Amino acid sequence: AQKITQTQPGMFVQEKEAVTLDCTYDTSDPSYGLFWYKQPSSGEMIFLIYQGSYDQQNATEGRYSLNFQKARKSANLVISASQLGDSAMYFCAMRGLISSGSARQLTFGSGTQLTVLP
Amino acid sequence: NAGVTQTPKFQVLKTGQSMTLQCAQDMNHEYMSWYRQDPGMGLRLIHYSVGAGITDQGEVPNGYNVSRSTTEDFPLRLLSAAPSQTSVYFCASSIYGQTSYGYTFGSGTRLTVV
Repeated sequence: AQKITQTQPGMFVQEKEAVTLDCTYDTSDPSYGLFWYKQPSSGEMIFLIYQGSYDQQNATEGRYSLNFQKARKSANLVISASQLGDSAMYFCAMRGLISSGSARQLTFGSGTQLTVLP
Repeated sequence: NAGVTQTPKFQVLKTGQSMTLQCAQDMNHEYMSWYRQDPGMGLRLIHYSVGAGITDQGEVPNGYNVSRSTTEDFPLRLLSAAPSQTSVYFCASSIYGQTSYGYTFGSGTRLTVV
């Protein structure tokens, strides 16, 4: 079984500042992938960034970076230079790569609602 | 535009009615899945398919049926709607086996059961 925990239901950040959204996970799978998705108020799910459990370096995609600490089982999302358009719900998710069946499917956390203040 | 298309976008059902949520993708993705999103609970997997003719249950399958007769389509059937099935439903697809590939989601169906 796999589990994702996001302990911050809501976060506020000032425009142009950096913000870190927390994500911890638990899995028995020795190999797995970690994902972050953004859901704006319009409702669509937008894929932001991916980190493989055996990747040596932390993933980066533009203003998004993933602070991956394998020993702590954490995969925090860092957004640099926040913009008003970053206001949205953010979901952390993971997928096991070795286990069979539903364990290989994407499991989501409960999300963090980020509000960027002008 | 290429992607995942869900219909309808909104639906109101009476308790006990049945309906089918449609999902189609044109990216030749082997993997397709259905999730429901409820406040404070993230997205939970209902059913998934790794190819035509192959389906399996996810975390919350009760009250839902699926079939996969083609690569493109993956409809979700509500057999006898209940108020507990009021939710937002997302269909997602992916290349199966390519681990770094992010899932592509449809725009969602907001279902209300009264």
